[in-house]
Amino acid sequence: EPEVTQTPSHQVTQMGQEVILRCVPISNHLYFYWYRQILGQKVEFLVSFYNNEISEKSEIFDDQFSVERPDGSNFTLKIRSTKLEDSAMYFCASNTGENTEAFFGQGTRLTVV
Amino acid sequence: GENVEQHPSTLSVQEGDSAVIKCTYSDSASNYFPWYKQELGKRPQLIIDIRSNVGEKKDQRIAVTLNKTAKHFSLHITETQPEDSAVYFCAANVPEYGNKLVFGAGTILRVKS
Repeated sequence: EPEVTQTPSHQVTQMGQEVILRCVPISNHLYFYWYRQILGQKVEFLVSFYNNEISEKSEIFDDQFSVERPDGSNFTLKIRSTKLEDSAMYFCASNTGENTEAFFGQGTRLTVV
Repeated sequence: GENVEQHPSTLSVQEGDSAVIKCTYSDSASNYFPWYKQELGKRPQLIIDIRSNVGEKKDQRIAVTLNKTAKHFSLHITETQPEDSAVYFCAANVPEYGNKLVFGAGTILRVKS
């Protein structure tokens, strides 16, 4: 069964450093998302991406965040200068369109120290 | 914007009993309502979803009901088993601007054997 894959599974970084989280969505999916989940809290929307551009972003997704689809398969989330409060599990998701199942990757646990 | 409220925050039931989790949403444009089960450190896993053109959907021990007029939907688990213990999240889509999911705060379900 096709699945969304994310790398790395765990990333530890120093405050102020840049990190890139990588995702490979399911190949025939058209909509891509990043969500964040701080430990013990709910899943929060960060950004959606469709047709090679951002379609919506949340208040969390400030100038320190960016997304890119550098080729036909990868979808990346970059945090330019990490803060302690960026520590969370980051999930990539994809689906084929409106009101269809969103498939989640296994997540990247980001720890900023 | 869309707001999803979920209750209760924790639920303890005896094995074999039923469990009910309720959610309300605010955006009348929402038309897709998935329920996710999340085990510790894992990705959210879709367990059932419902679209706004139906009022009820069932899959073995799991059912979901939707009341569009009242803007609420509920998850029903019958004959609960210890392996049902997990965190359950409801969500509602926002069809405009990228079809993101807005999640409820989650319910910790404990099934006691």
